[in-house]
Amino acid sequence: SQQGEEDPQALSIQEGENATMNCSYKTSINNLQWYRQNSGRGLVHLILIRSNEREKHSGRLRVTLDTSKKSSSLLITASRAADTASYFCATEEVEYGNKLVFGAGTILRVKS
Amino acid sequence: KAGVTQTPRYLIKTRGQQVTLSCSPISGHRSVSWYQQTPGQGLQFLFEYFSETQRNKGNFPGRFSGRQFSNSRSEMNVSTLELGDSALYLCASSSIGEGGEQFFGPGTRLTVL
Repeated sequence: SQQGEEDPQALSIQEGENATMNCSYKTSINNLQWYRQNSGRGLVHLILIRSNEREKHSGRLRVTLDTSKKSSSLLITASRAADTASYFCATEEVEYGNKLVFGAGTILRVKS
Repeated sequence: KAGVTQTPRYLIKTRGQQVTLSCSPISGHRSVSWYQQTPGQGLQFLFEYFSETQRNKGNFPGRFSGRQFSNSRSEMNVSTLELGDSALYLCASSSIGEGGEQFFGPGTRLTVL
Protein backbone atom coordinates (compact mmCIF):
# COMPACT_ATOMS: atom_id res chain seq x y z
CA SER A 1 0.00 0.00 0.00
CA GLN A 2 1.14 3.55 -0.57
CA GLN A 3 2.01 5.91 2.22
CA GLY A 4 0.04 8.89 1.06
CA GLU A 5 -0.89 11.28 -1.63
CA GLU A 6 1.05 13.43 -4.04
CA ASP A 7 -0.41 16.59 -5.35
CA PRO A 8 -0.92 17.52 -8.10
CA GLN A 9 -1.13 14.31 -10.10
CA ALA A 10 0.06 16.20 -13.18
CA LEU A 11 1.62 19.60 -13.75
CA SER A 12 2.34 21.41 -16.99
CA ILE A 13 4.46 24.57 -16.99
CA GLN A 14 6.59 26.70 -19.29
CA GLU A 15 10.36 26.53 -19.28
CA GLY A 16 11.76 28.98 -16.74
CA GLU A 17 8.81 28.74 -14.38
CA ASN A 18 8.94 27.12 -10.96
CA ALA A 19 7.28 23.78 -10.23
CA THR A 20 5.98 22.79 -6.81
CA MET A 21 4.92 19.28 -5.87
CA ASN A 22 3.45 18.21 -2.55
CA CYS A 23 3.52 14.93 -0.69
CA SER A 24 1.63 13.78 2.39
CA TYR A 25 2.29 10.70 4.47
CA LYS A 26 0.72 8.88 7.39
CA THR A 27 3.26 7.53 9.87
CA SER A 28 6.39 8.50 11.78
CA ILE A 29 9.41 8.58 9.51
CA ASN A 30 13.20 8.54 9.63
CA ASN A 31 13.49 10.50 6.41
CA LEU A 32 11.72 11.42 3.20
CA GLN A 33 13.36 11.08 -0.19
CA TRP A 34 12.45 12.51 -3.59
CA TYR A 35 13.09 10.64 -6.82
CA ARG A 36 12.73 11.38 -10.52
CA GLN A 37 11.79 8.82 -13.15
CA ASN A 38 11.97 9.29 -16.91
CA SER A 39 9.62 7.21 -19.07
CA GLY A 40 9.49 4.02 -17.00
CA ARG A 41 13.22 3.86 -16.43
CA GLY A 42 15.03 3.59 -13.10
CA LEU A 43 14.57 6.07 -10.30
CA VAL A 44 17.11 8.85 -9.87
CA HIS A 45 17.69 9.97 -6.29
CA LEU A 46 17.24 13.73 -5.94
CA ILE A 47 17.38 14.61 -2.28
CA LEU A 48 16.91 13.18 1.22
CA ILE A 49 15.56 15.18 4.15
CA ARG A 50 15.70 13.75 7.66
CA SER A 51 12.86 13.97 10.14
CA ASN A 52 14.73 16.56 12.24
CA GLU A 53 15.32 18.85 9.23
CA ARG A 54 12.85 21.43 7.96
CA GLU A 55 14.39 22.53 4.70
CA LYS A 56 17.10 21.38 2.35
CA HIS A 57 18.55 22.70 -0.91
CA SER A 58 20.37 21.03 -3.75
CA GLY A 59 21.06 23.08 -6.86
CA ARG A 60 17.65 24.14 -8.25
CA LEU A 61 15.81 21.91 -5.79
CA ARG A 62 14.32 22.99 -2.49
CA VAL A 63 12.61 20.51 -0.21
CA THR A 64 10.63 21.29 2.92
CA LEU A 65 9.36 18.89 5.56
CA ASP A 66 6.63 19.54 8.11
CA THR A 67 6.43 16.54 10.42
CA SER A 68 3.53 18.03 12.39
CA LYS A 69 1.43 18.06 9.22
CA LYS A 70 3.11 14.96 7.80
CA SER A 71 3.79 16.70 4.54
CA SER A 72 6.65 17.68 2.27
CA SER A 73 7.07 19.82 -0.81
CA LEU A 74 9.57 19.80 -3.66
CA LEU A 75 10.25 23.05 -5.49
CA ILE A 76 12.13 23.03 -8.79
CA THR A 77 13.19 26.54 -9.75
CA ALA A 78 13.81 27.81 -13.27
CA SER A 79 12.56 24.59 -14.81
CA ARG A 80 13.97 23.17 -18.02
CA ALA A 81 12.53 20.86 -20.66
CA ALA A 82 14.91 18.17 -19.33
CA ASP A 83 13.04 18.27 -16.00
CA THR A 84 10.06 16.62 -17.69
CA ALA A 85 9.58 13.39 -15.73
CA SER A 86 7.59 11.74 -12.97
CA TYR A 87 8.52 12.74 -9.44
CA PHE A 88 7.97 10.51 -6.43
CA CYS A 89 8.28 11.06 -2.74
CA ALA A 90 9.20 8.06 -0.59
CA THR A 91 9.22 7.76 3.16
CA GLU A 92 11.39 5.56 5.29
CA GLU A 93 9.27 4.60 8.25
CA VAL A 94 10.66 4.27 11.75
CA GLU A 95 11.72 0.71 12.64
CA TYR A 96 11.38 -0.56 9.08
CA GLY A 97 14.98 -0.23 8.01
CA ASN A 98 15.43 0.60 4.37
CA LYS A 99 11.84 -0.06 3.34
CA LEU A 100 10.57 2.90 1.31
CA VAL A 101 6.89 3.64 0.91
CA PHE A 102 6.18 5.61 -2.26
CA GLY A 103 3.53 8.09 -3.19
CA ALA A 104 1.67 7.85 -6.49
CA GLY A 105 3.87 10.48 -8.10
CA THR A 106 3.47 13.76 -9.95
CA ILE A 107 3.92 13.90 -13.73
CA LEU A 108 5.71 17.11 -14.62
CA ARG A 109 5.78 18.42 -18.17
CA VAL A 110 7.96 21.41 -18.94
CA LYS A 111 7.16 23.01 -22.28
CA SER A 112 9.88 24.81 -24.24
CA LYS B 1 31.77 4.15 -8.57
CA ALA B 2 29.59 2.09 -10.83
CA GLY B 3 25.89 2.35 -10.15
CA VAL B 4 23.38 -0.37 -9.38
CA THR B 5 23.13 -2.86 -12.23
CA GLN B 6 20.26 -5.17 -13.02
CA THR B 7 20.10 -8.06 -15.42
CA PRO B 8 18.41 -8.82 -17.65
CA ARG B 9 16.90 -5.49 -18.70
CA TYR B 10 13.97 -7.07 -20.54
CA LEU B 11 12.34 -10.45 -20.17
CA ILE B 12 9.35 -12.14 -21.77
CA LYS B 13 7.89 -15.22 -20.13
CA THR B 14 4.67 -17.20 -20.33
CA ARG B 15 2.22 -17.95 -17.55
CA GLY B 16 3.32 -20.72 -15.24
CA GLN B 17 7.03 -20.26 -15.87
CA GLN B 18 9.48 -18.98 -13.29
CA VAL B 19 11.99 -16.19 -13.56
CA THR B 20 15.13 -15.04 -11.76
CA LEU B 21 16.26 -11.43 -11.76
CA SER B 22 19.66 -10.24 -10.63
CA CYS B 23 20.88 -7.07 -8.95
CA SER B 24 24.43 -5.94 -8.25
CA PRO B 25 24.55 -3.10 -5.72
CA ILE B 26 26.99 -0.24 -5.60
CA SER B 27 30.35 -1.45 -4.33
CA GLY B 28 30.40 -1.42 -0.54
CA HIS B 29 26.63 -1.31 -0.15
CA ARG B 30 25.24 -4.07 2.02
CA SER B 31 21.52 -3.41 1.72
CA VAL B 32 19.50 -4.38 -1.34
CA SER B 33 15.78 -3.79 -1.67
CA TRP B 34 13.40 -4.86 -4.41
CA TYR B 35 10.33 -3.02 -5.69
CA GLN B 36 7.61 -3.75 -8.20
CA GLN B 37 6.19 -0.95 -10.31
CA THR B 38 2.92 -1.29 -12.19
CA PRO B 39 0.57 1.36 -13.64
CA GLY B 40 -2.23 0.25 -11.32
CA GLN B 41 -0.42 -0.24 -8.00
CA GLY B 42 2.52 2.10 -8.40
CA LEU B 43 5.78 1.35 -6.62
CA GLN B 44 5.48 -1.39 -4.03
CA PHE B 45 8.11 -2.80 -1.72
CA LEU B 46 8.87 -6.50 -2.13
CA PHE B 47 11.69 -7.22 0.33
CA GLU B 48 15.01 -6.01 1.68
CA TYR B 49 18.21 -7.90 2.36
CA PHE B 50 21.01 -6.72 4.57
CA SER B 51 24.16 -8.78 5.04
CA GLU B 52 22.49 -11.85 3.50
CA THR B 53 19.46 -11.68 5.82
CA GLN B 54 15.95 -10.72 4.81
CA ARG B 55 15.00 -7.87 7.12
CA ASN B 56 11.69 -6.67 5.73
CA LYS B 57 9.07 -8.17 3.49
CA GLY B 58 6.16 -6.55 1.68
CA ASN B 59 2.68 -7.92 1.08
CA PHE B 60 3.38 -10.23 -1.82
CA PRO B 61 2.56 -13.92 -2.14
CA GLY B 62 5.12 -16.60 -1.43
CA ARG B 63 5.74 -16.99 -5.17
CA PHE B 64 8.04 -14.00 -4.78
CA SER B 65 11.30 -14.83 -3.06
CA GLY B 66 14.80 -13.51 -2.91
CA ARG B 67 18.25 -14.01 -1.56
CA GLN B 68 21.48 -12.15 -1.10
CA PHE B 69 24.97 -13.49 -1.53
CA SER B 70 28.09 -12.78 0.51
CA ASN B 71 29.24 -10.22 -2.09
CA SER B 72 25.90 -8.38 -1.56
CA ARG B 73 24.58 -9.27 -5.01
CA SER B 74 20.92 -10.21 -4.83
CA GLU B 75 18.49 -12.26 -6.83
CA MET B 76 14.75 -12.37 -6.78
CA ASN B 77 12.69 -15.25 -8.08
CA VAL B 78 9.08 -15.37 -9.13
CA SER B 79 7.58 -18.81 -9.58
CA THR B 80 4.39 -19.80 -11.39
CA LEU B 81 4.16 -16.50 -13.22
CA GLU B 82 0.79 -14.81 -13.63
CA LEU B 83 -0.23 -12.13 -16.12
CA GLY B 84 -0.41 -9.64 -13.25
CA ASP B 85 3.30 -10.10 -12.54
CA SER B 86 4.09 -8.05 -15.64
CA ALA B 87 5.88 -5.03 -14.23
CA LEU B 88 9.10 -3.10 -13.93
CA TYR B 89 11.18 -4.64 -11.14
CA LEU B 90 13.59 -2.25 -9.50
CA CYS B 91 16.30 -2.87 -7.00
CA ALA B 92 17.92 -0.30 -4.77
CA SER B 93 21.06 -0.36 -2.69
CA SER B 94 22.13 1.53 0.38
CA SER B 95 25.35 1.66 2.31
CA ILE B 96 23.78 1.58 5.75
CA GLY B 97 21.06 -0.26 7.61
CA GLU B 98 18.61 2.60 7.67
CA GLY B 99 18.39 6.30 7.29
CA GLY B 100 20.54 6.58 4.19
CA GLU B 101 20.02 7.39 0.57
CA GLN B 102 18.93 4.56 -1.63
CA PHE B 103 20.10 4.29 -5.20
CA PHE B 104 18.10 2.48 -7.82
CA GLY B 105 19.10 0.41 -10.80
CA PRO B 106 17.57 0.76 -14.29
CA GLY B 107 15.08 -2.03 -13.65
CA THR B 108 14.07 -5.25 -15.36
CA ARG B 109 10.95 -5.04 -17.51
CA LEU B 110 9.11 -8.36 -17.17
CA THR B 111 6.30 -9.21 -19.55
CA VAL B 112 4.19 -12.29 -18.87
CA LEU B 113 2.18 -13.61 -21.83
